Amino acid sequence: DTGVSQDPRHKITKRGQNVTFRCDPISEHNRLYWYRQTLGQGPEFLTYFQNEAQLEKSRLLSDRFSAERPKGSFSTLEIQRTEQGDSAMYLCASSSRDRKYYGYTFGSGTRLTVV
Amino acid sequence: KNEVEQSPQNLTAQEGEFITINCSYSVGISALHWLQQHPGGGIVSLFMLSSGKKKHGRLIATINIQEKHSSLHITASHPRDSAVYICAVNYGGSQGNLIFGKGTKLSVKP
Repeated sequence: DTGVSQDPRHKITKRGQNVTFRCDPISEHNRLYWYRQTLGQGPEFLTYFQNEAQLEKSRLLSDRFSAERPKGSFSTLEIQRTEQGDSAMYLCASSSRDRKYYGYTFGSGTRLTVV
Repeated sequence: KNEVEQSPQNLTAQEGEFITINCSYSVGISALHWLQQHPGGGIVSLFMLSSGKKKHGRLIATINIQEKHSSLHITASHPRDSAVYICAVNYGGSQGNLIFGKGTKLSVKP
């Protein structure tokens, strides 16, 4: 297992376009998280899944944002009608439900630039 | 107000120095994490703590639940330790998400 993979690594898009990011978690991990990080700030929680169920969504996640994890494996995060304020690093992480260890493994992120 | 506060925001040290980064939080937590982020975005989980102290190589993490405070120590610092160190917490019984501090940018000079 090579860890958490995110694709693409970088995305430049024009304002108003839709973008979709993909995250492949560690296969044994049933929990998957999306975070957003802007320059100089810590990551901010967006949403998380346990298996295919989306259990929690941040108020940061406007109607333009949607996330799916249809088979409980990989996840996609779509942003519709992108705005310049959406420019950020989008991080995905996964974790195990094992009560002995709730450690997180992060992907390298997708850097979105909206021009 | 950020619920997780880190200090200092920036830290410059000479190689070999002992380094301490502090984290305080405002409510009860179920776990606290120390993470390392290198330029380019990759985040590595260093420690997860719910009590006491953990050590891994030159890194030591401690937590005081009563005082709602944690520290990350680096002994015999090295330039390759240069990174942003982030404290994050799980609140209460929820494992649903992490609340992050803004990070401490560490630069270790040779």
